[in-house]
Order: sequence, then C-alpha cells, then structure tokens
Amino acid sequence: DAKTTQPPSMDCAEGRAANLPCNHSTISGNEYVYWYRQIHSQGPQYIIHGLKNNETNEMASLIITEDRKSSTLILPHATLRDTAVYYCIVRVPDSGGSNYKLTFGKGTLLTVNP
Amino acid sequence: DTGVSQDPRHKITKRGQNVTFRCDPISEHNRLYWYRQTLGQGPEFLTYFQNEAQLEKSRLLSDRFSAERPKGSFSTLEIQRTEQGDSAMYLCASSLEEAFFGQGTRLTVV
Repeated sequence: DAKTTQPPSMDCAEGRAANLPCNHSTISGNEYVYWYRQIHSQGPQYIIHGLKNNETNEMASLIITEDRKSSTLILPHATLRDTAVYYCIVRVPDSGGSNYKLTFGKGTLLTVNP
Repeated sequence: DTGVSQDPRHKITKRGQNVTFRCDPISEHNRLYWYRQTLGQGPEFLTYFQNEAQLEKSRLLSDRFSAERPKGSFSTLEIQRTEQGDSAMYLCASSLEEAFFGQGTRLTVV
C-alpha cells in the first residue's frame, strides 16, 4: 500500500468546515483513498472512500486532486463530537479474494473547539 | 446492535498469565481482522481470516499469540504468558467491502 502523509494535528472552530489534507504521491492507478476516524477509546470508524472523482456522503466530502497525489477530507460543519484522529489510507478495494488489510499511519488529531 | 462486538472491553492481568479475547463480527462478513494499537500509534495489523481460514499473520504475532475462527463466525485471540509489552488495545474488524471495527479490548499487563 502507498504511504500517506498527514499533519499530526489541526484545530477547527465548531460550526466551521474542517479540511484535512493527505498526501499520497506514490498512489497506484488502482488504489483508492480511504478515510477512517477514531474517537478516543473507540475503534476506528469508516468515513468515506474514492478513486478519482469527488465523493460525498452524510458524514463528509472527499476531494481528490486530478493527479491523485493528494486529497482533502471535508467535514462541512464540524461539531465537538468530530474531535478525533483521522486516518488517510490508500489501498486496493476489497474484491472478495485477498487480504485487504488497512495500513494505518499516525493520522491527524483534529480538535474542534467551542 | 448489529456491529462488531468484542469481549471483554477491559482486561487487567498479571504478567505470565494467559488471556483470551472474543470478537463477534457482523454476521454476513466473511473477512475478519485483528489489530493491535498502542498509545499514540495507529492500529497495526496482526492477522486475517477469510471464513475459518487464517490466511495471513503479521510478524508482530509471536508464538505466544494464537487466533482462531472455528466456524467462520466468531474469533478468539489468545495471548499466552503475557508480558508488559503486550499491554495495548486489541481491535477486531470485519468486512465485505469497508472494514467495520469493534470497540476493542484494552489489555493491561501488570
């Protein structure tokens, strides 16, 4: 799996958009970008994933640059409950046959302030 | 609750004792993973099952560690002769496509 680079920490004001960057300059053509987050003392939680088109779901939006070497996770209206470590991971998607384990880095600690 | 369930949530044991953790995955998920997480680090992969077959083990999984998934449903992770360095959060995940994690078992070896 390609290596990712994330800032160790970020702050965001409650109600504002949180934009979390991730660099993955060695990403392969068939690798997707996945985002998970981990709230203190809980297991990681899946947020979103994408290949090259921008994606949006009820939790967040994922913006992937045209060259796919970086991406940004956007939480449009951050709340205090969004305070967590956010992990950006690149890998091939599950297709039923192999071990698609996740390789976590240290992630970005997002602190949402009141 | 139909998510991934882990038991116990917390375990304190004396060095040298054996411990066993249980994971109940989401029922239709055929793939199950164990991870270990120490303070300040992201989760690290330990082992992977597809149905009842253990298909990959990390070098982190020493001879004192053993995992089973006897009927392709729940899984157990046993640590024999625990050491203080085994203190960590042990996470289980199951997947069809995206992986869903349990809340983890926090092990403290004293």
